[in-house]
Amino acid sequence: GDSVTQMEGPVTLSEEAFLTINCTYTATGYPSLFWYVQYPGEGLQLLLKATKADDKGSNKGFEATYRKETTSFHLEKGSVQVSDSAVYFCALSNFNKFYFGSGTKLNVKP
Amino acid sequence: NAGVTQTPKFQVLKTGQSMTLQCAQDMNHNSMYWYRQDPGMGLRLIYYSASEGTTDKGEVPNGYNVSRLNKREFSLRLESAAPSQTSVYFCASMGAGGPLSTDTQYFGPGTRLTVL
Repeated sequence: GDSVTQMEGPVTLSEEAFLTINCTYTATGYPSLFWYVQYPGEGLQLLLKATKADDKGSNKGFEATYRKETTSFHLEKGSVQVSDSAVYFCALSNFNKFYFGSGTKLNVKP
Repeated sequence: NAGVTQTPKFQVLKTGQSMTLQCAQDMNHNSMYWYRQDPGMGLRLIYYSASEGTTDKGEVPNGYNVSRLNKREFSLRLESAAPSQTSVYFCASMGAGGPLSTDTQYFGPGTRLTVL
């Protein structure tokens, strides 16, 4: 069945460091791919999405490119801030169902 | 436009008690979902409703029932709560709310449930 695998955390970075959180997926057909962010005590918020191969989703300095050949959707940001500290979830949508990765906690230190 | 709302925000139950978690969305979405989130396990789908009048089991349906009351509302019921159901519960909705949102889920703030 469909599934999402993302790197385990926590990831700890200093402010202004480069961020990569890896995500790979298994799916039939042509899923859409997402990154969601969850701040402490809150629900998940959509960060970015890509609906077809080679699409790049971007928002708030974060980017991810839908790579069908490697079945990946890695999240990147060039310079993280303390306010980016949160849990990040990779997800895919296929045939009206969503599949989430286990989440990666990011800690950014000043 | 409130998006997805959930009540209550917090609840403590004793083993064997029952309760209903309420969820409502005002985005005219067709599909609604219930997830539970446990530490280190991400989100697991309990039940979903692809449209008004239909419900289907997800990954972890045992011990739960759902009702899609109308297009706006989707409730989750625990008939006899167990400590293993201690978790954070999220409701989400998706689809038909706009030209670019047909496959994006929008989440409520969550209900934190403790079963003693």
